[in-house]
Amino acid sequence: EVQLLESGGGFVQPGGSLTLSCAASGFTFSSYAMSWVRQAPGKGLEWVSRISTSGGGTFYTDSVKGRFTISRDNSRNTLYLQMNSLRAEDTAVYYCAKEVDLVATIDWGQGTLVTVSS
Amino acid sequence: QSALTQPPSVSAAPGQKVTISCSGRSSNIGNNYVSWYQQLPGTAPKLLIYGNDRRPSGIPDRFSGSKSGTSATLGITGLQTGDEADYYCGTWDSSLSAGVFGTGTKVTVL
Repeated sequence: EVQLLESGGGFVQPGGSLTLSCAASGFTFSSYAMSWVRQAPGKGLEWVSRISTSGGGTFYTDSVKGRFTISRDNSRNTLYLQMNSLRAEDTAVYYCAKEVDLVATIDWGQGTLVTVSS
Repeated sequence: QSALTQPPSVSAAPGQKVTISCSGRSSNIGNNYVSWYQQLPGTAPKLLIYGNDRRPSGIPDRFSGSKSGTSATLGITGLQTGDEADYYCGTWDSSLSAGVFGTGTKVTVL
């Protein structure tokens, strides 16, 4: 059974940093591209970032470029999202997801809430 | 990044059919595969359709997808109360080198 378990969310002040982790199990992690998708309270889905199987290809939505960094450790079956210079508009539930194709994410974690507020 | 455009809501009686449109541009829907997701309240999204019209294992054939030009459509036949949820389309935008989701559509079963 595929499992994706996010952690690292929490409350942070504007300008602060957080690192999200996503522990994967039940599949060959190194064989799948992975993504982060977020959802602000009461709002729709927003694609955030994607990383290739090897980690050599990374992509970001414009609003997080230069502030967020996606990475993976295939030896630890773990996906990361380093978030710096956080803004109030980054407040959302962050999901990690396993891709079968571009923006085709077949397995999702339960999400972790990030709240940016003073 | 502009989201793909979906109608805010659609509704129909049980057993009927609904269709949800997703409108984009040549850089996204026009040249990339489209996926569709169902999100029940308080849960993570669930992939219904990928590759424009492919269903993952376990998704009933009541759900179908199609694409024409810069628009895509999700169809749900034999509507059930359990289908009440938010539905999102998604695709890759080759100009942005980023993913993009639709604005979301709430399906109500009357």
